[in-house]
Amino acid sequence: RKEVEQDPGPFNVPEGATVAFNCTYSNSASQSFFWYRQDCRKEPKLLMSVYSSGNEDGRFTAQLNRASQYISLLIRDSKLSDSATYLCVVMADRGSTLGRLYFGRGTQLTVWP
Amino acid sequence: EPEVTQTPSHQVTQMGQEVILRCVPISNHLYFYWYRQILGQKVEFLVSFYNNEISEKSEIFDDQFSVERPDGSNFTLKIRSTKLEDSAMYFCASRLDRLYNEQFFGPGTRLTVL
Repeated sequence: RKEVEQDPGPFNVPEGATVAFNCTYSNSASQSFFWYRQDCRKEPKLLMSVYSSGNEDGRFTAQLNRASQYISLLIRDSKLSDSATYLCVVMADRGSTLGRLYFGRGTQLTVWP
Repeated sequence: EPEVTQTPSHQVTQMGQEVILRCVPISNHLYFYWYRQILGQKVEFLVSFYNNEISEKSEIFDDQFSVERPDGSNFTLKIRSTKLEDSAMYFCASRLDRLYNEQFFGPGTRLTVL
C-alpha cells in the first residue's frame, strides 16, 4: 500500500512559470502535512507545513483537502533556484506513532532560463 | 542556527561487517529518528526514539539494526551484519517536542556495502 502518492513528474518549466504539484494520502488518521524540498543527494528540507485552511509563503501556496485526502503545492513565478525534488510528506502522530513521517517519491522540477 | 550533524558523510564497508552511523541531534530536542533513502527511491522511516527507548520501528528495522543514545548527545544507528541492500543514504532527524511538528534532518551518511 502506498501511503503517499505524488505526480510522477518530471516537470520542466521556464522561469516565471506557475507550476502545481498534487499528492494524495491513504491514511485518514494522518495528522500533519508538509512539503519538503530535496536537492540532489542532500537531505530533505522543510518547505512549508500545510494547513486545512490553506497557507501561503511568498510564491508558494499549499492546500489541503481532508475529505479527498489531497494535498497540493503551487509555485508562482518559478526561479532557477526552485529546481529540486518536491516531497509530499504526511505525519501520523497518534498513540505510539510519535511523528513517523511518510514520504512520497517526490516530483522533480527543473526550471530553465 | 542549530543543526543536526552526521558522521561520517560516506562509509564504505564489506558485506557482513558492522557499521555505526553517528548523529548529533539539536541539543534541546526530545524526539529522534532514522530514515533511509535507497538511490532513486523514496525516503523511508526506520525508527523513532524518545525518552531513551524506541517508540516505533518499521518492518525494515529488523534484528540487524539497533539504536542507542549513549551519552545524551550522540544518537547512533548500528547495522550488525551489513547486506548489499543496506546501501543507501541514512538520515537522522530530530524534533523539539510533541507540540512542534517539524523534523530537522541531518545531511546524511551515504553507506555503500560492497
